[in-house]
Amino acid sequence: RKEVEQDPGPFNVPEGATVAFNCTYSNSASQSFFWYRQDCRKEPKLLMSVYSSGNEDGRFTAQLNRASQYISLLIRDSKLSDSATYLCVVYNNNDMRFGAGTRLTVKP
Amino acid sequence: DAGVTQSPTHLIKTRGQQVTLRCSPISGHKSVSWYQQVLGQGPQFIFQYYEKEERGRGNFPDRFSARQFPNYSSELNVNALLLGDSALYLCASSLGIQGVGELFFGEGSRLTVL
Repeated sequence: RKEVEQDPGPFNVPEGATVAFNCTYSNSASQSFFWYRQDCRKEPKLLMSVYSSGNEDGRFTAQLNRASQYISLLIRDSKLSDSATYLCVVYNNNDMRFGAGTRLTVKP
Repeated sequence: DAGVTQSPTHLIKTRGQQVTLRCSPISGHKSVSWYQQVLGQGPQFIFQYYEKEERGRGNFPDRFSARQFPNYSSELNVNALLLGDSALYLCASSLGIQGVGELFFGEGSRLTVL
């Protein structure tokens, strides 16, 4: 089993749709959690950290469920500019583990 | 302000050769991490250096080595190149130890091994 698993997609959604990505992790001792965004042939960039209580940044909401060892990202009112690959990242003991990413395409 | 800079951006090597990749972190950042990204996969952690000391190592063979210099720049060396080493090599800098704050990635060095 991979340490960080994501649905690879692709998710193809119309503008304005709400889309949710899930990510599961295997190490229950994991300490920090993040979502990064990577545009085609570009470097990853931090989208948001994920906190135990859940957190929101505009149209983006991240949730963490430690008991079930999964992380989610919800995107509301999708924009064309949200098209990218979303990487789930889990940190434990100096080791950052990236998922393979979920590809999102938002269409007009 | 300059972001993370990496060089070279592209390079082609043959099997058995050696390669050195370079990274300059954002000014004030003391941590540099190296990642390997194969097409269609997420980045895989190779090394982290903080304050010139190795602070973490991923599951890569001893052919991979790295170091950090007093000015916090870093080099990644790969010896005895294999075809499977073909990938995008990303460098990321951060203020502190990775996992605590944001990682800022460079645009990467794309290595092709023939």
